[in-house]
Amino acid sequence: AQSVTQLGSHVSVSEGALVLLRCNYSSSVPPYLFWYVQYPNQGLQLLLKYTSAATLVKGINGFEAEFKKSETSFHLTKPSAHMSDAAEYFCAVRNTGNQFYFGTGTSLTVIP
Amino acid sequence: NAGVMQNPRHLVRRRGQEARLRCSPMKGHSHVYWYRQLPEEGLKFMVYLQKENIIDESGMPKERFSAEFPKEGPSILRIQQVVRGDSAAYFCASSPRGQVSHEQYFGPGTRLTVT
Repeated sequence: AQSVTQLGSHVSVSEGALVLLRCNYSSSVPPYLFWYVQYPNQGLQLLLKYTSAATLVKGINGFEAEFKKSETSFHLTKPSAHMSDAAEYFCAVRNTGNQFYFGTGTSLTVIP
Repeated sequence: NAGVMQNPRHLVRRRGQEARLRCSPMKGHSHVYWYRQLPEEGLKFMVYLQKENIIDESGMPKERFSAEFPKEGPSILRIQQVVRGDSAAYFCASSPRGQVSHEQYFGPGTRLTVT
């Protein structure tokens, strides 16, 4: 069975500081991994995805994530937080099935 | 190129009424997925459909919920005899094919409130 764990339901960072949002997955086979962002009252927007090419994946808005098989992790980072990054972030995993399995989300607050 | 469209964006129903949620996938997409998001929770898969076919409905409650994706027109998620616990945001997503490497494109959601 697939599962995704996002450590920390709420993360606060100062504007300009490093953003680190954690995601660990459990999968019996190499997965496809995704990060989505959700702004208030909106749908989910894809930030980036890992599909077994490069382990370091660059996404939109300056975000990137690194797939670490040994740690079963796919943490999302951004070197310098911007006020507009405040949102809910979801990690998701998909393998050979048709379902996406989403984490419970991490709410990012950016402090001016 | 319009994205995934959902309507209505907000829907209020009294207990016992029916709720119909509509989803038009992106142009060229033939795969539709429905998810439910409860407050403070992630998205939970409900059902996966192709045109005129339900491929996977393992996430659908056994009673009162149904979904269809007809040959013509939008996909419909129907909830009969709604109860307060059905209050949630319902998101539709689409993809061009069912390949696992493809991301899903999400609509803005329908927020259902049952009073």
